[in-house]
Amino acid sequence: AQRVTQPEKLLSVFKGAPVELKCNYSYSGSPELFWYVQYSRQRLQLLLRHISRESIKGFTADLNKGETSFHLKKPFAQEEDSAMYYCALTTPGGGADGLTFGKGTHLIIQP
Amino acid sequence: KAGVTQTPRYLIKTRGQQVTLSCSPISGHRSVSWYQQTPGQGLQFLFEYFSETQRNKGNFPGRFSGRQFSNSRSEMNVSTLELGDSALYLCASSTDSYNEQFFGPGTRLTVL
Repeated sequence: AQRVTQPEKLLSVFKGAPVELKCNYSYSGSPELFWYVQYSRQRLQLLLRHISRESIKGFTADLNKGETSFHLKKPFAQEEDSAMYYCALTTPGGGADGLTFGKGTHLIIQP
Repeated sequence: KAGVTQTPRYLIKTRGQQVTLSCSPISGHRSVSWYQQTPGQGLQFLFEYFSETQRNKGNFPGRFSGRQFSNSRSEMNVSTLELGDSALYLCASSTDSYNEQFFGPGTRLTVL
């Protein structure tokens, strides 16, 4: 079965500093990977997915199949980036296990 | 477009009772997935329905069941409630399960 690991439960950085939220996965095939974000008192929402290769709100994530990682990065953190971030995986075609989520990283941007 | 709605938002039940949660997906979305979120286990996949058929199922006991109606609305039922079933239950809809999933606000179930 697939697994997603987010090693940091909490990450605190200062405004303007670079941010990297780590995500590692285990799956033998070619997964589809996502980052979901939950701002305070808001719903869980998609931030980005690897196949779109987009930069959303300044965030990017690159799938590294060799290291089985999908780290989320932003060069200059802003206070509004404070939120819970979840890395998620699904197998091609939707997969029998739905979305498999990591436990999440609480990102705090300090002024 | 109206977002995913879930009712009720909060529920308090006692052990042994059963509960039904409801989810109305975004118009046009045929896939509805359910997740359980707890502090210890995080977000775990329960099941997915597509066009009234359960297509995928997570690793939960048979006390957890669901169904989907012809208008894509979905219900989730938990029978013989246990204390450990206390959780936030999230519903998500999408055009298909491999596409972006849009989450509802959740139903907070407390089992006493």
